Amino acid sequence: NAGVTQTPKFRILKIGQSMTLQCTQDMNHNYMYWYRQDPGMGLKLIYYSVGAGITDKGEVPNGYNVSRSTTEDFPLRLELAAPSQTSVYFCASRRTGDHSGANVLTFGAGSRLTVL
Amino acid sequence: TQLLEQSPQFLSIQEGENLTVYCNSSSVFSSLQWYRQEPGEGPVLLVTVVTGGEVKKLKRLTFQFGDARKDSSLHITAAQPGDTGLYLCAGGAGGNEKLTFGTGTRLTIIP
Repeated sequence: NAGVTQTPKFRILKIGQSMTLQCTQDMNHNYMYWYRQDPGMGLKLIYYSVGAGITDKGEVPNGYNVSRSTTEDFPLRLELAAPSQTSVYFCASRRTGDHSGANVLTFGAGSRLTVL
Repeated sequence: TQLLEQSPQFLSIQEGENLTVYCNSSSVFSSLQWYRQEPGEGPVLLVTVVTGGEVKKLKRLTFQFGDARKDSSLHITAAQPGDTGLYLCAGGAGGNEKLTFGTGTRLTIIP
């Protein structure tokens, strides 16, 4: 059981380049999230999805786009990379429901992105 | 916007000492979670508390949810080097799909 898998683990981009961070989960979770974590800081929500075909903005969506064509996959796209997007990006998922454990997030290992 | 402030931001103590980390907000949460994150990895859940005043123990770690469900604390007894990491609290509001994460406490236990 792989859980949440993110690729790539590391990437260096030049200003203005585009790229997609991939995220896939094999737990049949409906909810998926993208967070960014700046050095020594907590997590800020970029986008989230409550199911295939449904996405919504988080706290810091500018400069990013997402899609959710399947339950398993939730890619994050950067269209015009900027130095301010240098960060570690985490994808997470959770199951639906109001059980006490339903809010528990399972995280991927992260993707470290540097924009020069 | 719901905010969760953690204190202290950094904490470095000797092995065997006790410590407490705080997570405070002006907002009420229906649940509060604590995660630990090690370098190069994603956060991993330690505990979820859902009732005001609730106390949960996980070996040497004691978690408390404030009576008003606006704050939480994490107490570690006899800290060990393996406790080193970034500790994050996260609050959930009922019916809300999103968790609000705290600012984090970076803990270093010196052998």
